[in-house]
Amino acid sequence: EAQVTQNPRYLITVTGKKLTVTCSQNMNHEYMSWYRQDPGLGLRQIYYSMNVEVTDKGDVPEGYKVSRKEKRNFPLILESPSPNQTSLYFCASTEKAGGAWNEQFFGPGTRLTVL
Amino acid sequence: GDSVTQMEGPVTLSEEAFLTINCTYTATGYPSLFWYVQYPGEGLQLLLKATKADDKGSNKGFEATYRKETTSFHLEKGSVQVSDSAVYFCALRSTNTGFQKLVFGTGTRLLVSP
Repeated sequence: EAQVTQNPRYLITVTGKKLTVTCSQNMNHEYMSWYRQDPGLGLRQIYYSMNVEVTDKGDVPEGYKVSRKEKRNFPLILESPSPNQTSLYFCASTEKAGGAWNEQFFGPGTRLTVL
Repeated sequence: GDSVTQMEGPVTLSEEAFLTINCTYTATGYPSLFWYVQYPGEGLQLLLKATKADDKGSNKGFEATYRKETTSFHLEKGSVQVSDSAVYFCALRSTNTGFQKLVFGTGTRLLVSP
């Protein structure tokens, strides 16, 4: 089954304790992206990756890092989490086929609480 | 920059009522437009899309028409069901094909009662 998986689904942590949220897709997509969802703000892009070893900032990258060492994985790293990073996080992936980009597939989300 | 504005929620309807969720956008060029749905506790699923002016996207009884003249992409359904209760997001994708960012509206929660 084609899917994007994220782990963990729920995480409660404390300020300053480094954490990683993993994202993996089994569709061989070259493009992957992270979004955060906040009430009244919709989804905003954090980082994206056009392919292995190619990453770039989205609209709200402060406080986050990413890496893309393998095509299927795109982890989101919070080196020193703060309470304003409490949010619902989504990973997404897509590919280009026939010269056009296909729809983005979203993971199930990771609800992060930083105390 | 590109932006999407959609109506505030929640929208509360009785089963079999007609649904409209308004969405307007600001963008350069000719973006692709999408409606995503988020059921409770789940991720986003693509509901429908339109890639050029006057296209109509449709799925599961939902429809939306890409109106370039009014920069709108309103979501409609003729008869909603309780199972349609969810959050609906309007989104656009830039015409720059090398840049795949989706720009989302704030989401509209739909509550359908029996």
